This record gives sequence, structure tokens and C-alpha cells, in this order.
Amino acid sequence: AQRVTQPEKLLSVFKGAPVELKCNYSYSGSPELFWYVQYSRQRLQLLLRHISRESIKGFTADLNKGETSFHLKKPFAQEEDSAMYYCALSGSWGSQGNLIFGKGTKLSVKP
Amino acid sequence: NAGVTQTPKFQVLKTGQSMTLQCAQDMNHEYMSWYRQDPGMGLRLIHYSVGAGITDQGEVPNGYNVSRSTTEDFPLRLLSAAPSQTSVYFCASSYSYRSYNSPLHFGNGTRLTVT
Repeated sequence: AQRVTQPEKLLSVFKGAPVELKCNYSYSGSPELFWYVQYSRQRLQLLLRHISRESIKGFTADLNKGETSFHLKKPFAQEEDSAMYYCALSGSWGSQGNLIFGKGTKLSVKP
Repeated sequence: NAGVTQTPKFQVLKTGQSMTLQCAQDMNHEYMSWYRQDPGMGLRLIHYSVGAGITDQGEVPNGYNVSRSTTEDFPLRLLSAAPSQTSVYFCASSYSYRSYNSPLHFGNGTRLTVT
């Protein structure tokens, strides 16, 4: 079965500290993985996708097929990074119809 | 562009009542979908559509109906509301059905309470 696990409901760090939001997935084929973010009073929006190998707002995420993980990392957290982060998996030939979301991690960056 | 517009923002229903949550997008997107978000559960897909006249079920379709008569609109109908349908509902759209081509654009959500 396809599944996305975000083990931390809440992650609290101080400004300038490194941050890592964990995401593990379960899927037998080749997955597509994404990170979506929801800032306070804003819509849920795409942060990055593994296929693009991009860095957005200083965040990166590497797909580790051996560990079935797609952790989101940033070396120096900023207060404006405080938000709800969702990891998502597309497991059916890149189909939006099978986009599965994790339960989300709330990141709080303290001054 | 307004993007994805959901109405209403808030709604309270009594058990057994019916209502329709509206969703419209002005981006000529092919794909539209409805998710529900419950505390501690993340987002779960209810129904989706890959184009006008085509709909399919997601993970949690029971109790909900959809139709897609135009590219722009994708309403979600609750025929007989139940307390278990208390949730925040999100509509999302994307240019393509293929996720690697285009990201999902989300609406602001509708907070529904069924008493």
C-alpha cells in the first residue's frame, strides 16, 4: 500500500539552527515525491519536488530510495519558515489522482 | 487571475441536510480535485476530475457526489450530511493530470461543521 509518514507533528527550532523535516514513504514502484507548505493564513502551495532537484527558499530534499525517505532540510532556519509542511507521494505513473499526503509537520522557528 | 475560488468559507449544517461546496478555477486547468483535512489525518482525496465530463473516486468518496460539466467548475455535493463529514475541505487544480508536469493549486478551504 502507498503510504507517507511524517513522524513529527511539531518541530521547534531556533532561528539560525539547521532544520530537518522527516518524510518516509512506502511504495513498491518509482515514486514521485513533493513537499507542500502552508504558511499562516495562506493557501497550501508546492514547495519543491524531487524530480526537479531544486532548492527553494533555501530548502532541499533528496530522495533516498534505500531508506525510502525524502527529508526536507535547510541549513539555517528563518522565522518566516514557520508553517505547516506536508510531504506527498504520487505513486501511480505520476498521477495527481493518486497523490497521497502525509499528516504534516508544524515547523516553529523561534527568534 | 483569482486562481482557485471556494465558497462558502464556513458552513454549519444539521445532520441530514444537503449542500454543495463550490469550487471554480480560472486557469483553464485540466485536473481538479477535492480533499478533506481532519485533525491528525493530513489531506485525503475525495473525488477528482481529469477533464469536463470525467470524474473518479479518491480515497474517501462515500457520502459525496461530484460532477464536472465545465472546465472551470467542480462542485462537491453532500446529499445527507453526517457529523463524520465535519472537516475542512480543499479544492485543488492543476494544468495536467500528470503530477510531474504541474503542481496543485489549492483554494482557501471551506470549514464545514455538521451538528
